[in-house]
Amino acid sequence: QVQLQQPGAELVKPGASVKLSCKASGYTFTSYWMHWVKLRPGQGFEWIGEINPSNGGTNYNEKFKRKATLTVDKSSSTAYMQLSSLTSEDSAVYYCTIRYYGSAMDYWGQGTSVTVSS
Amino acid sequence: DIQMTQSPASLSASVGETVTITCRASENIYSYLAWYQQKQGKSPQLLVYNAKTLAEGVPSRFSGSGSGTQFSLKINSLQPEDFGSYYCQHHYGTPYTFGGGTKLEIK
Repeated sequence: QVQLQQPGAELVKPGASVKLSCKASGYTFTSYWMHWVKLRPGQGFEWIGEINPSNGGTNYNEKFKRKATLTVDKSSSTAYMQLSSLTSEDSAVYYCTIRYYGSAMDYWGQGTSVTVSS
Repeated sequence: DIQMTQSPASLSASVGETVTITCRASENIYSYLAWYQQKQGKSPQLLVYNAKTLAEGVPSRFSGSGSGTQFSLKINSLQPEDFGSYYCQHHYGTPYTFGGGTKLEIK
C-alpha cells in the first residue's frame, strides 16, 4: 500500500536551515509528482511546490521560491524539502503528498512539525 | 492566485443531523474542486475530488456538488467520526490553494 513516511518533529534555531524527508513506498516513486504542503495553526494550508522524481523538475509556489528547495533521491525513493533562513513564520507542520489517482492529493505523509526557536 | 472562501468557519451539530459546507472560488475552476477532512493531529484525508466524485472508501453520506465558482459538501446523518475540520482545495492548476477550513463540532 502507498505510504509516505515523515519524521515527526524538528527543532531548529532561527536563521538556520532544515532538510525534511519523505520516504515513499508501495508505488513507483518516479511515476508521481511529490507535493509539499504547509499547515500553520490559524493560517490554513499552503501549497509549497511539487517535484517530478523522474527528472527532478520542480514547480514552486511563487511565495516559497526563496524559502524551499525540493530534491529527490531515486535510489532510496525519498523526497526532500530544504527550508532556509528559518523564522517563527516557518514554524508549522509540513506534509508530503501525492496525486496518485490523478486529481487531488489522495495520499499524505504524517507530517513533520517544525518548531523554530532559540 | 485563485482565492478559496469557505463558510461557515465553524459549525456545531448533533449526531444524525445533516450539514452543508460551502466553498467559493475567486474565478471559474470548472469542477476541479476537492474536499478534505482533517482530525486533530492527523493528516488530511481526501473525501471528494472533481467536485462530486467520492474518494475510495468514503461513506455515501458524504456528497459534493457545484461547478464554476460555487461548491458545497453535504454530510447526511452525521456520525461521531465525522467531527473534525473540513477544507476545500482547487486542483485547477498551480498554485493549488485551500479554503480557510470549517471546524465541525459536536453540539
